[in-house]
Formats: sequence, structure tokens, C-alpha cells
Amino acid sequence: DSGVTQTPKHLITATGQRVTLRCSPRSGDLSVYWYQQSLDQGLQFLIQYYNGEERAKGNILERFSAQQFPDLHSELNLSSLELGDSALYFCASSVELGRETGEQFFGPGTRLTVL
Amino acid sequence: QQQVKQSPQSLIVQKGGISIINCAYENTAFDYFPWYQQFPGKGPALLIAIRPDVSEKKEGRFTISFNKSAKQFSLHIMDSQPGDSATYFCAASMDSGGYQKVTFGTGTKLQVIP
Repeated sequence: DSGVTQTPKHLITATGQRVTLRCSPRSGDLSVYWYQQSLDQGLQFLIQYYNGEERAKGNILERFSAQQFPDLHSELNLSSLELGDSALYFCASSVELGRETGEQFFGPGTRLTVL
Repeated sequence: QQQVKQSPQSLIVQKGGISIINCAYENTAFDYFPWYQQFPGKGPALLIAIRPDVSEKKEGRFTISFNKSAKQFSLHIMDSQPGDSATYFCAASMDSGGYQKVTFGTGTKLQVIP
């Protein structure tokens, strides 16, 4: 158990709908990362937040948005869903304190199925 | 310049054999090189990591070899076991204004056959 929690575990929805994925980082971790992993694909970095502020953006679609709240939990919002958005969405967290950092702790993921 | 190239895409190894996965990077600002292991349906988990001031790090059957001049690093799994069957991701990270910026390789699906 990495200490990172994600809800829900599974989500089935229809095209055109909007969903929110939630992530709680490990206690004390300030950075939250979101990744998308399609079937048999690598990890596509979406976005990173650090202590409430957006720090880096990857291949995140305009239909997707995220935020990190004062309690450090994060939400990923996916709207106008398309069939191709079906994937595993992972959240990861890390400490970000000087050189002894770099390790990311991944949550169990949310499997999104768009029908 | 942020890319991390990983090969092979897939690998089949006999039980007891050595599995070798290679990664290469371009940006010399990277200063932390972790390997993650991912089992089907699970999130990736850190397996082993190395900093560029050492050329090799060993933890049990897993060894990272690091060649700073060639900008390459590799994961060696000795005495590979069926339980090692998983997808392995290399990554490279660097300090970017006080936070770590991490780039992942594309992954290698390892199958260890009995």
C-alpha cells in the first residue's frame, strides 16, 4: 500500500458526460501528479500540482482540468467524454524536499470506461 | 531533450535467466533515475533508483548500471522468476525550480517463462 488513495476504483459512463476523479496523497507529500495509461500503453503525464499550484502540464486535453485543494487532495475533471478517454488514471505523490526526492508513490488507479 | 528512450518494448526470458532493460536520456540535468515495476491492474511502484554519482546499485536480484558519459542506464534482473513478470518503466528526474520534474520511459513488458 503506497499511502495514496484514489476514488472511485471503477467508473463507467457515457460519451459526452463529465466525471471527477479524486486523489488523496500520502501524508506530508506536497506534489500530486496525474497520469493516463491506456491499454498496453505507457504512462502519459497529464499535470502536476505542488502545494496547491499548477507546476507542470503534459499532454492534457483542454476537456480535462485538475486542481489541488488546501488539504492537498486533488481532483481531475474530465468533460465531454469520448470513447478514447477510456483508460486507467493514476495519481502519484511525492515529497519535494531537496535532493532526497524523486520517488513518486502511485495510487491504485481509477479505471474509466466510456461507453 | 526531455525524452527518455526505453528498450525493448517487450521481453521474454526463461526462468533463471538475466533480464536486461535499457534506457537512454539526453538532458544532463537529470539527477535521479528510478525504475518502477507495474503489475497488471496496479499502480507502478518504485523498484530501485540511482543517482549519477555512482555507476552501479544492487538490491537483491535487481541491479542498475549507470553510464554517465553515454547517458544510458539499464536494469538487470538476475535469476529472473515468473513473479518478476510485469511492466518496467525507467524514469529520469531533475530539480525544476524546487520541485522534481519526472519523465518516464515507454515501458517494457517482461514475461518470465518457467
